[in-house]
Amino acid sequence: RKEVEQDPGPFNVPEGATVAFNCTYSNSASQSFFWYRQDCRKEPKLLMSVYSSGNEDGRFTAQLNRASQYISLLIRDSKLSDSATYLCVVRKDSGGYQKVTFGTGTKLQVIP
Amino acid sequence: DAGITQSPRHKVTETGTPVTLRCHQTENHRYMYWYRQDPGHGLRLIHYSYGVKDTDKGEVSDGYSVSRSKTEDFLLTLESATSSQTSVYFCAISESSQPRGTEQYFGPGTRLTVT
Repeated sequence: RKEVEQDPGPFNVPEGATVAFNCTYSNSASQSFFWYRQDCRKEPKLLMSVYSSGNEDGRFTAQLNRASQYISLLIRDSKLSDSATYLCVVRKDSGGYQKVTFGTGTKLQVIP
Repeated sequence: DAGITQSPRHKVTETGTPVTLRCHQTENHRYMYWYRQDPGHGLRLIHYSYGVKDTDKGEVSDGYSVSRSKTEDFLLTLESATSSQTSVYFCAISESSQPRGTEQYFGPGTRLTVT
């Protein structure tokens, strides 16, 4: 089983729609969680951290469920510019450094 | 955007030749990382550095070496390139490795093709 698993998609949604992605992780000792966004042929960029209480940034909401070991990302009122691949990232302490594991990403295509 | 540059941005080389990729940062961040990204895999850590002359291996370090002689520069060397090392290489930096430290910021990537 992969340490971090994501549905690769693609998720094709119309503009204005709400879309949600989940990401599951296998190591219950994981400590920090993030969503990154990666545009085609570009570098990943931090979208948001995911906190235990859930957090929101504009149209984006991230949730963490430690009991079921998954994190989620909800995008409301989708824009064409949201089209990208969304990477789930999990971090845990591993003998002196933070081991960071990236998911393979979920591709979102927002359609006019 | 974080001040991270990578050079070269694209390179084609032949099997068996040495290749060095450079990462340069202007943020004075302590931690630097080299990742590779391949289809079907997430970003995978090759090596990382936690200070000048302080480096350690990541999960896919075989065939790669690194050096960091200055805070701002982190070099990745493929001693003898193989076709399996064809990939996109990303450098990343972070201010801290602590759980609540600042997050990783990535350079624009280097596309390496080994023929």
